[in-house]
Amino acid sequence: GESVGLHLPTLSVQEGDNSIINCAYSNSASDYFIWYKQESGKGPQFIIDIRSNMDKRQGQRVTVLLNKTVKHLSLQIAATQPGDSAVYFCAGGSGYSTLTFGKGTMLLVSP
Amino acid sequence: DAGVIQSPRHEVTEMGQEVTLRCKPISGHNSLFWYRQTMMRGLELLIYFNNNVPIDDSGMPEDRFSAKMPNASFSTLKIQPSEPRDSAVYFCASSLGRVFGGYTFGSGTRLTVV
Repeated sequence: GESVGLHLPTLSVQEGDNSIINCAYSNSASDYFIWYKQESGKGPQFIIDIRSNMDKRQGQRVTVLLNKTVKHLSLQIAATQPGDSAVYFCAGGSGYSTLTFGKGTMLLVSP
Repeated sequence: DAGVIQSPRHEVTEMGQEVTLRCKPISGHNSLFWYRQTMMRGLELLIYFNNNVPIDDSGMPEDRFSAKMPNASFSTLKIQPSEPRDSAVYFCASSLGRVFGGYTFGSGTRLTVV
Protein backbone atom coordinates (compact mmCIF):
# COMPACT_ATOMS: atom_id res chain seq x y z
CA GLY A 1 0.00 0.00 0.00
CA GLU A 2 0.95 3.62 0.31
CA SER A 3 2.84 5.01 3.26
CA VAL A 4 3.63 8.44 4.56
CA GLY A 5 6.75 9.39 6.45
CA LEU A 6 9.29 7.05 7.93
CA HIS A 7 7.22 3.97 8.67
CA LEU A 8 6.26 1.33 6.18
CA PRO A 9 2.87 -0.31 6.56
CA THR A 10 3.50 -3.68 8.15
CA LEU A 11 1.58 -6.91 7.84
CA SER A 12 2.33 -9.54 10.47
CA VAL A 13 1.16 -13.09 9.86
CA GLN A 14 1.75 -16.56 11.19
CA GLU A 15 3.52 -19.18 9.14
CA GLY A 16 0.99 -21.07 7.06
CA ASP A 17 -1.52 -18.21 6.90
CA ASN A 18 -2.48 -16.55 3.65
CA SER A 19 -1.23 -12.97 3.21
CA ILE A 20 -2.82 -10.16 1.26
CA ILE A 21 -0.85 -7.04 0.45
CA ASN A 22 -2.65 -4.11 -1.11
CA CYS A 23 -1.63 -1.26 -3.36
CA ALA A 24 -3.51 1.74 -4.71
CA TYR A 25 -2.34 3.49 -7.85
CA SER A 26 -3.29 6.89 -9.14
CA ASN A 27 -2.41 6.91 -12.84
CA SER A 28 -5.34 5.58 -14.84
CA ALA A 29 -3.08 5.38 -17.90
CA SER A 30 -1.02 2.59 -16.30
CA ASP A 31 -1.65 -0.66 -18.09
CA TYR A 32 1.06 -2.91 -16.70
CA PHE A 33 1.75 -3.76 -13.08
CA ILE A 34 4.40 -5.70 -11.24
CA TRP A 35 4.92 -6.90 -7.71
CA TYR A 36 8.48 -6.88 -6.41
CA LYS A 37 9.94 -8.46 -3.27
CA GLN A 38 12.90 -6.85 -1.54
CA GLU A 39 14.79 -8.74 1.13
CA SER A 40 17.11 -6.95 3.52
CA GLY A 41 20.34 -5.91 1.84
CA LYS A 42 19.18 -6.90 -1.63
CA GLY A 43 17.64 -5.25 -4.65
CA PRO A 44 13.95 -5.61 -5.54
CA GLN A 45 13.17 -8.94 -7.19
CA PHE A 46 10.38 -9.51 -9.73
CA ILE A 47 7.57 -11.74 -8.42
CA ILE A 48 4.63 -11.52 -10.80
CA ASP A 49 3.16 -9.13 -13.34
CA ILE A 50 -0.26 -8.42 -14.82
CA ARG A 51 -1.54 -6.42 -17.76
CA SER A 52 -4.64 -4.27 -17.59
CA ASN A 53 -6.61 -6.58 -19.88
CA MET A 54 -6.59 -9.13 -17.06
CA ASP A 55 -8.02 -8.97 -13.56
CA LYS A 56 -6.25 -11.98 -12.09
CA ARG A 57 -3.02 -13.84 -12.63
CA GLN A 58 -1.62 -16.75 -10.68
CA GLY A 59 1.90 -17.91 -10.09
CA GLN A 60 3.42 -20.37 -7.69
CA ARG A 61 1.80 -19.59 -4.31
CA VAL A 62 1.11 -16.02 -5.45
CA THR A 63 -1.90 -14.39 -7.08
CA VAL A 64 -2.22 -10.82 -8.26
CA LEU A 65 -5.63 -9.20 -8.52
CA LEU A 66 -6.28 -5.99 -10.44
CA ASN A 67 -9.35 -3.80 -10.02
CA LYS A 68 -9.11 -1.03 -12.59
CA THR A 69 -12.36 0.57 -11.52
CA VAL A 70 -10.97 1.56 -8.14
CA LYS A 71 -7.32 1.51 -9.22
CA HIS A 72 -6.36 -1.19 -6.77
CA LEU A 73 -3.88 -4.02 -6.94
CA SER A 74 -3.35 -6.84 -4.45
CA LEU A 75 -0.85 -9.63 -3.96
CA GLN A 76 -2.01 -12.80 -2.28
CA ILE A 77 0.56 -15.22 -0.91
CA ALA A 78 -0.71 -18.66 0.00
CA ALA A 79 0.70 -20.63 2.93
CA THR A 80 3.10 -17.86 3.91
CA GLN A 81 6.57 -19.00 4.95
CA PRO A 82 9.28 -17.26 7.01
CA GLY A 83 11.25 -16.85 3.79
CA ASP A 84 8.47 -14.62 2.49
CA SER A 85 9.38 -11.97 5.07
CA ALA A 86 10.42 -8.92 3.05
CA VAL A 87 9.22 -5.57 1.77
CA TYR A 88 6.80 -5.86 -1.13
CA PHE A 89 6.42 -3.11 -3.73
CA CYS A 90 3.85 -2.63 -6.41
CA ALA A 91 4.93 -0.84 -9.58
CA GLY A 92 2.95 0.37 -12.54
CA GLY A 93 3.56 1.91 -15.91
CA SER A 94 2.63 2.00 -19.56
CA GLY A 95 4.41 1.87 -22.88
CA TYR A 96 4.85 5.64 -22.62
CA SER A 97 6.40 5.80 -19.16
CA THR A 98 8.86 4.15 -16.87
CA LEU A 99 7.73 2.11 -13.89
CA THR A 100 6.52 4.06 -10.85
CA PHE A 101 7.02 2.27 -7.54
CA GLY A 102 4.85 2.41 -4.44
CA LYS A 103 6.40 2.96 -1.01
CA GLY A 104 6.15 -0.70 -0.04
CA THR A 105 4.65 -2.91 2.63
CA MET A 106 6.70 -4.93 5.07
CA LEU A 107 5.57 -8.53 5.55
CA LEU A 108 6.67 -10.22 8.76
CA VAL A 109 6.10 -13.96 9.05
CA SER A 110 6.47 -15.55 12.44
CA PRO A 111 7.00 -19.31 12.85
CA ASP B 1 24.07 -14.41 -16.67
CA ALA B 2 25.39 -12.90 -13.42
CA GLY B 3 22.60 -10.35 -13.33
CA VAL B 4 23.08 -6.61 -12.87
CA ILE B 5 26.40 -5.99 -11.17
CA GLN B 6 27.00 -2.92 -9.05
CA SER B 7 30.12 -1.73 -7.30
CA PRO B 8 31.04 -0.91 -4.67
CA ARG B 9 28.52 -2.56 -2.33
CA HIS B 10 29.26 -0.05 0.39
CA GLU B 11 30.84 3.38 0.24
CA VAL B 12 31.61 5.68 3.13
CA THR B 13 32.97 9.07 2.19
CA GLU B 14 33.45 12.48 3.68
CA MET B 15 31.29 15.41 2.73
CA GLY B 16 32.70 17.22 -0.27
CA GLN B 17 34.37 14.18 -1.80
CA GLU B 18 33.55 12.80 -5.23
CA VAL B 19 31.73 9.47 -5.33
CA THR B 20 31.43 7.22 -8.37
CA LEU B 21 29.01 4.31 -8.47
CA ARG B 22 29.33 1.68 -11.18
CA CYS B 23 26.90 -0.62 -12.95
CA LYS B 24 27.14 -3.45 -15.46
CA PRO B 25 23.70 -4.24 -16.91
CA ILE B 26 22.55 -7.63 -18.16
CA SER B 27 23.95 -8.37 -21.58
CA GLY B 28 21.37 -7.67 -24.27
CA HIS B 29 19.28 -5.30 -22.18
CA ASN B 30 18.87 -1.95 -23.89
CA SER B 31 17.44 0.09 -21.01
CA LEU B 32 19.27 1.10 -17.85
CA PHE B 33 17.90 2.88 -14.82
CA TRP B 34 19.47 4.47 -11.74
CA TYR B 35 17.29 4.59 -8.62
CA ARG B 36 17.84 6.02 -5.15
CA GLN B 37 16.12 4.42 -2.16
CA THR B 38 15.51 6.08 1.20
CA MET B 39 13.00 5.40 3.93
CA MET B 40 11.45 8.81 3.49
CA ARG B 41 11.04 8.81 -0.28
CA GLY B 42 11.12 5.16 -1.27
CA LEU B 43 12.47 4.26 -4.70
CA GLU B 44 13.10 7.35 -6.83
CA LEU B 45 14.08 7.16 -10.48
CA LEU B 46 17.13 9.34 -11.08
CA ILE B 47 17.85 8.71 -14.75
CA TYR B 48 16.88 6.35 -17.56
CA PHE B 49 19.05 5.40 -20.54
CA ASN B 50 17.89 3.68 -23.70
CA ASN B 51 20.51 2.33 -26.09
CA ASN B 52 23.16 4.22 -24.07
CA VAL B 53 21.39 7.57 -24.56
CA PRO B 54 19.94 9.45 -21.55
CA ILE B 55 16.19 9.70 -22.14
CA ASP B 56 14.87 11.09 -18.87
CA ASP B 57 17.08 12.72 -16.25
CA SER B 58 14.33 14.73 -14.58
CA GLY B 59 14.86 12.79 -11.36
CA MET B 60 18.48 13.82 -10.94
CA PRO B 61 18.31 15.97 -7.81
CA GLU B 62 20.78 18.68 -8.80
CA ASP B 63 23.87 19.46 -10.80
CA ARG B 64 26.04 17.62 -8.31
CA PHE B 65 24.69 14.39 -9.81
CA SER B 66 25.75 13.16 -13.23
CA ALA B 67 25.41 9.84 -15.04
CA LYS B 68 27.07 8.38 -18.09
CA MET B 69 26.70 5.28 -20.19
CA PRO B 70 29.72 5.13 -22.52
CA ASN B 71 28.74 1.71 -23.87
CA ALA B 72 26.07 -0.96 -23.55
CA SER B 73 27.85 -2.77 -20.74
CA PHE B 74 28.78 0.02 -18.34
CA SER B 75 27.27 3.02 -16.59
CA THR B 76 28.39 5.35 -13.83
CA LEU B 77 26.60 7.65 -11.42
CA LYS B 78 28.79 10.38 -10.01
CA ILE B 79 28.13 12.74 -7.13
CA GLN B 80 30.48 15.71 -6.82
CA PRO B 81 30.64 17.13 -4.22
CA SER B 82 28.82 14.67 -1.98
CA GLU B 83 26.66 15.82 0.93
CA PRO B 84 25.27 13.94 3.96
CA ARG B 85 21.75 14.11 2.50
CA ASP B 86 22.96 11.99 -0.42
CA SER B 87 23.26 9.04 1.96
CA ALA B 88 20.99 6.32 0.55
CA VAL B 89 21.03 3.02 -1.30
CA TYR B 90 21.54 3.48 -5.02
CA PHE B 91 20.25 0.80 -7.35
CA CYS B 92 20.96 0.18 -10.97
CA ALA B 93 18.42 -1.80 -13.00
CA SER B 94 18.27 -2.95 -16.59
CA SER B 95 15.55 -4.23 -18.89
CA LEU B 96 14.69 -5.11 -22.46
CA GLY B 97 12.19 -2.29 -22.71
CA ARG B 98 10.86 0.76 -20.94
CA VAL B 99 8.25 -1.07 -18.86
CA PHE B 100 7.03 -4.45 -20.08
CA GLY B 101 8.85 -7.38 -18.58
CA GLY B 102 9.93 -5.34 -15.61
CA TYR B 103 13.38 -4.36 -14.48
CA THR B 104 16.17 -6.51 -13.07
CA PHE B 105 17.85 -4.77 -10.17
CA GLY B 106 21.39 -5.02 -8.92
CA SER B 107 22.21 -5.49 -5.25
CA GLY B 108 22.70 -1.77 -4.74
CA THR B 109 25.40 0.49 -3.34
CA ARG B 110 24.86 1.74 0.20
CA LEU B 111 26.35 5.24 0.30
CA THR B 112 27.08 6.99 3.58
CA VAL B 113 28.35 10.56 3.48
CA VAL B 114 29.72 11.78 6.81
